[in-house]
Amino acid sequence: AQTVTQSQPEMSVQEAETVTLSCTYDTSESDYYLFWYKQPPSRQMILVIRQEAYKQQNATENRFSVNFQKAAKSFSLKISDSQLGDAAMYFCAYRQGYGGATNKLIFGTGTLLAVQP
Amino acid sequence: GAGVSQSPRYKVAKRGQDVALRCDPISGHVSLFWYQQALGQGPEFLTYFQNEAQLDKSGLPSDRFFAERPEGSVSTLKIQRTQQEDSAVYLCASSLDVGSNQPQHFGDGTRLSIL
Repeated sequence: AQTVTQSQPEMSVQEAETVTLSCTYDTSESDYYLFWYKQPPSRQMILVIRQEAYKQQNATENRFSVNFQKAAKSFSLKISDSQLGDAAMYFCAYRQGYGGATNKLIFGTGTLLAVQP
Repeated sequence: GAGVSQSPRYKVAKRGQDVALRCDPISGHVSLFWYQQALGQGPEFLTYFQNEAQLDKSGLPSDRFFAERPEGSVSTLKIQRTQQEDSAVYLCASSLDVGSNQPQHFGDGTRLSIL
């Protein structure tokens, strides 16, 4: 069974600085997708960035980028120029690739990010 | 609507009561998912619909949990004879298609508290 592990329950960063959130996963599949979701106190889960396992190039979305190490099964999120609005719970998630029966997401336990002004 | 809508936003029930949680997915979205999120944890998969067909219910914790999507749009998650361990946030998500990398769009969730 696939698992996702986030080993940092809480992180803190100064406004305008850079922070990296860690995520590791375990799977025997070769085709899958990885995601970072942000969940503010309002509870709505918002997609931050996604990575296809077959792509070697790391995904980037504005201030958000990932370091995808397939062999190490590691998928970290880097937030540059942190803003107060980035404060939230961040979840790493895994989804089996095309042909998977469900496309369900498997989530880690989350990292609570605080941004200090 | 513009996004996934869930109702009610909060639900308080006494142990033993039945509850029904509603999810309105984004119009035209084929796939619909229910997740359960306990306090301080990540969401856990409950069940999945493709249109009106429930293709995966492997995450439902017991036979007290039942979900339906009779017309392939709105879905209802029903919990019978609620117990305290059912207290959680229930999230609904929808995605446009199956077998692609379409992202799942989440609603705001229903926070269920069982007294």
